Amino acid sequence: EDQVTQSPEALRLQEGESSSLNCSYTVSGLRGLFWYRQDPGKGPEFLFTLYSAGEEKEKERLKATLTKKESFLHITAPKPEDSATYLCAVLSTDSWGKFQFGAGTQVVVTP
Amino acid sequence: SAVISQKPSRDICQRGTSLTIQCQVDSQVTMMFWYRQQPGQSLTLIATANQGSEATYESGFVIDKFPISRPNLTFSTLTVSNMSPEDSSIYLCSVMGEETQYFGPGTRLLVL
Repeated sequence: EDQVTQSPEALRLQEGESSSLNCSYTVSGLRGLFWYRQDPGKGPEFLFTLYSAGEEKEKERLKATLTKKESFLHITAPKPEDSATYLCAVLSTDSWGKFQFGAGTQVVVTP
Repeated sequence: SAVISQKPSRDICQRGTSLTIQCQVDSQVTMMFWYRQQPGQSLTLIATANQGSEATYESGFVIDKFPISRPNLTFSTLTVSNMSPEDSSIYLCSVMGEETQYFGPGTRLLVL
């Protein structure tokens, strides 16, 4: 069974204090790993898709990396507007399009 | 990316009643999903909405409680039937795009 574990559950950062979020996964075969950002009361907003180990993607202060067992979301010099819950999800080769989501990491960036 | 709208955006309902949530997409999509997100929790897949056939439900979710319609490739409804306070959640529809799933804004449901 596919499993996704995110850590830490919550993260409190000072503005400018860089950090990383972890997403560990177990799948029979990885078709893709996905990062989303979710603001309170809203639907998840797509950030990145990673397909194979060694792949990296960047968007503004966010950088996602992938290994065979885990993915990291690095937040460089965060700003208060980066405060959100960050969700990780995997799609396996035999899941017929169904994503398995982690529990998320709630990030709070204080000025 | 797909643009997805949901109605209503929020509602407060009495226990024992039913609520139908609508999901509209701005383009034709093959795969459409319904999720539940309970307070402080992550997303749990309720079912895959199939066009022209019955929805495919995940373990723990049944058609009598969560009937789903998918009359065409741009629209779906989810009904939450005979509601109890435990059904208070955010309900989200999503569609499978080229690269990932895209989500609607959600329907926030409070059952009293």
